[in-house]
Amino acid sequence: GESVGLHLPTLSVQEGDNSIINCAYSNSASDYFIWYKQESGKGPQFIIDIRSNMDKRQGQRVTVLLNKTVKHLSLQIAATQPGDSAVYFCAENNSGTYKYIFGTGTRLKVLA
Amino acid sequence: EAGVTQFPSHSVIEKGQTVTLRCDPISGHDNLYWYRRVMGKEIKFLLHFVKESKQDESGMPNNRFLAERTGGTYSTLKVQPAELEDSGVYFCASSQDWVKNIQYFGAGTRLSVL
Repeated sequence: GESVGLHLPTLSVQEGDNSIINCAYSNSASDYFIWYKQESGKGPQFIIDIRSNMDKRQGQRVTVLLNKTVKHLSLQIAATQPGDSAVYFCAENNSGTYKYIFGTGTRLKVLA
Repeated sequence: EAGVTQFPSHSVIEKGQTVTLRCDPISGHDNLYWYRRVMGKEIKFLLHFVKESKQDESGMPNNRFLAERTGGTYSTLKVQPAELEDSGVYFCASSQDWVKNIQYFGAGTRLSVL
């Protein structure tokens, strides 16, 4: 897949356990944050987003937490399943511009 | 509804040759973006179109790269002449509006320059 050669941090989690993927963002002016999931051979798929006026947002089995004080974002996946195995990217955006700034990504491996 | 589609999925060319990548955004999306990830690095922004106009091309690495979006529908990204360091995966994304700027990505084109 396209991630061959990339030395990504890897998180290995037992199936059924909860996963927490962390991301540090760089720009204190960023006010919109997104998590993407990328499976092998596919493009990044939107998972969940959060605006800077919130510190927590929940989706289906996923929760995003935002700590603006330390510029930290996390993605929590409940009851991790084999289909959750992928590379996860956080992205930040300043609503004054359309460009996303991506983190380097974390590879999630779900162990059976 | 079809997602963002990119063609080709993989291109292998020799240094000095020309390659043209194509992106078809989601129908009705005025905003179209190009990003790329070179080996070992993060996904980086190249440029942004609003309809047929280039809104921000601050990420384009040099003048060997030319992006067009004639008619405001599909977009092409031409690399001429290609260099070894251009190898990587080129992603296209589109979004509907700026209020909720969720960008939807295509599967990417893997470019290998030999």
